Amino acid sequence: AQSVAQPEDQVNVAEGNPLTVKCTYSVSGNPYLFWYVQYPNRGLQFLLKYITGDNLVKGSYGFEAEFNKSQTSFHLKKPSALVSDSALYFCAVRDPLGRLAFGKGNQVVVIP
Amino acid sequence: AAGVIQSPRHLIKEKRETATLKCYPIPRHDTVYWYQQGPGQDPQFLISFYEKMQSDKGSIPDRFSAQQFSDYHSELNMSSLELGDSALYFCASSLVRDQETQYFGPGTRLLVL
Repeated sequence: AQSVAQPEDQVNVAEGNPLTVKCTYSVSGNPYLFWYVQYPNRGLQFLLKYITGDNLVKGSYGFEAEFNKSQTSFHLKKPSALVSDSALYFCAVRDPLGRLAFGKGNQVVVIP
Repeated sequence: AAGVIQSPRHLIKEKRETATLKCYPIPRHDTVYWYQQGPGQDPQFLISFYEKMQSDKGSIPDRFSAQQFSDYHSELNMSSLELGDSALYFCASSLVRDQETQYFGPGTRLLVL
């Protein structure tokens, strides 16, 4: 079965510092990987995805993610965090039938 | 750009009542997915439809049913509600030729008392 793991519950980072949110995956076949962000009482907003191609994927709001096959990782990164980036971040993998399996989520807190 | 619309946004029901949640996908999207997110949990896949036919089923209780209509909107029907059904219910839609990206609605928050 396809699955992803987000090993940290919460990530604290000072405003202006680099932000990294970790995700590892376990799939059979080629991975289709996604990052979504959820603000309080809001839906899931799509940030970026990896299907194939370049290992560095650029997405919305200055976020990017690096696909690493040897480490089975798909970490989300942002060079300079903003207070408005404080939210819940979900990594997800798509299975062959199209359903998304999500990680447990990471609460990101950007400290002013 | 138009997004996925869900109604109602909030719903309060008593135990053993029924509830109907509606989802209107992004125009021209032909695939709809339903997910349930319990408090402090990650979203869990319930069911999906492609071209008005059920295409996949996840951990959806037998008390729940869903369908997709000719205009591609979808409804999730929930009967004999239980306290544990209290959750945020998301609908997502995608295009079959771009079916990798699912775009989510704002969700319906259901509270069962």
